[in-house]
Amino acid sequence: GAGVSQSPSNKVTEKGKDVELRCDPISGHTALYWYRQSLGQGLEFLIYFQGNSAPDKSGLPSDRFSAERTGGSVSTLTIQRTQQEDSAVYLCASSSGLAGGPRWETQYFGPGTRLLVL
Amino acid sequence: SQQGEEDPQALSIQEGENATMNCSYKTSINNLQWYRQNSGRGLVHLILIRSNEREKHSGRLRVTLDTSKKSSSLLITASRAADTASYFCATAPNYGGSQGNLIFGKGTKLSVKP
Repeated sequence: GAGVSQSPSNKVTEKGKDVELRCDPISGHTALYWYRQSLGQGLEFLIYFQGNSAPDKSGLPSDRFSAERTGGSVSTLTIQRTQQEDSAVYLCASSSGLAGGPRWETQYFGPGTRLLVL
Repeated sequence: SQQGEEDPQALSIQEGENATMNCSYKTSINNLQWYRQNSGRGLVHLILIRSNEREKHSGRLRVTLDTSKKSSSLLITASRAADTASYFCATAPNYGGSQGNLIFGKGTKLSVKP
């Protein structure tokens, strides 16, 4: 596609419910990232996928958070038993994966999913 | 943890003026990137400067990097109302750990008044 897309744009849920957030990266990009941005804050790294390698989950804040990437393309971030502190904008980004590592690459961001946990 | 810290947190200028934003970081880096964010949504990459570069230009943007002071600045010349956005620096630390972990600062909120 033309850019990174995310769905839904907005999600309101009740505390304790599970939510799934979806990310469609740019076609052909092998690297995919999830970030979280709380109000007025910078981006907090959550997880990184590169091709078929095991994902880097070092940023996931708790075991309630998980993500998968099926077929090396679409990714789903799942938050189980949501808490009010999970309220944030969840941003997905992708990069080509060709420049010798993500630290050298431009990341292309989706518009984000704004999650509100009541 | 936050590595990059932007300064100032907020900046308000008149159209046509120059805007300067600064970023300081703590550890040795491979490169430093600047991103722009409109209205709390997706970020747009502006420029990447490598650790062996001192200055880089892109249109009305000028980025400098001083690795001895662990700081970078982003200059926007002849600002326009459309430049109103939050600007973030992101560093790629030069140490082991997450290969995907670009570390973002909290951003500078720029407001350009017409």
